[in-house]
Amino acid sequence: GENVEQHPSTLSVQEGDSAVIKCTYSDSASNYFPWYKQELGKRPQLIIDIRSNVGEKKDQRIAVTLNKTAKHFSLHITETQPEDSAVYFCAASANTGFQKLVFGTGTRLLVSP
Amino acid sequence: NAGVTQTPKFRVLKTGQSMTLLCAQDMNHEYMYWYRQDPGMGLRLIHYSVGEGTTAKGEVPDGYNVSRLKKQNFLLGLESAAPSQTSVYFCASSHNLQASAEAFFGQGTRLTVV
Repeated sequence: GENVEQHPSTLSVQEGDSAVIKCTYSDSASNYFPWYKQELGKRPQLIIDIRSNVGEKKDQRIAVTLNKTAKHFSLHITETQPEDSAVYFCAASANTGFQKLVFGTGTRLLVSP
Repeated sequence: NAGVTQTPKFRVLKTGQSMTLLCAQDMNHEYMYWYRQDPGMGLRLIHYSVGEGTTAKGEVPDGYNVSRLKKQNFLLGLESAAPSQTSVYFCASSHNLQASAEAFFGQGTRLTVV
């Protein structure tokens, strides 16, 4: 089955810096890669996703890149703000007739003012 | 529009007791999932359902049972709770991958087994 590894487990940056979180996956059939943000005590919420026919996707200060050959994808946050502090989860899913998201173990991002 | 609603939000069980967690969604989603979240281990899939009347095992199904008698509801049961089942449980739902794949999560249930 699919296995998703996520690094780093914690990341501390200064406000205004960029943050990068990386994930690798094992199943070459995976073709959908979402990123979820979970604020303390809250539910995970989708912030951006990418499909395997696209190499990069941007939405304001966040972007995701995908390298299918190497089986890794990354989340990039520019001009970080304190409200970006949260746990971020990557996930992968293979379109094999049903969707089964496999999540990484999460990255705790702390943005200091 | 409530989205995905879980009940209860908190619960404390004694070892050996049973309970059922209820998940309800009002978005007409085909797929529903139960995850557990433990520190340092992310979200792990317990069971999932691709439609009314169907269920399937996920990554960590032992000790849990599920039922989906109605499309909008997905129940997670613990027949004999164990301390290892202390966790935060999240229900989620989504359309199928071909439509819109975003998974919407409930607010979570914090379960403590003593």
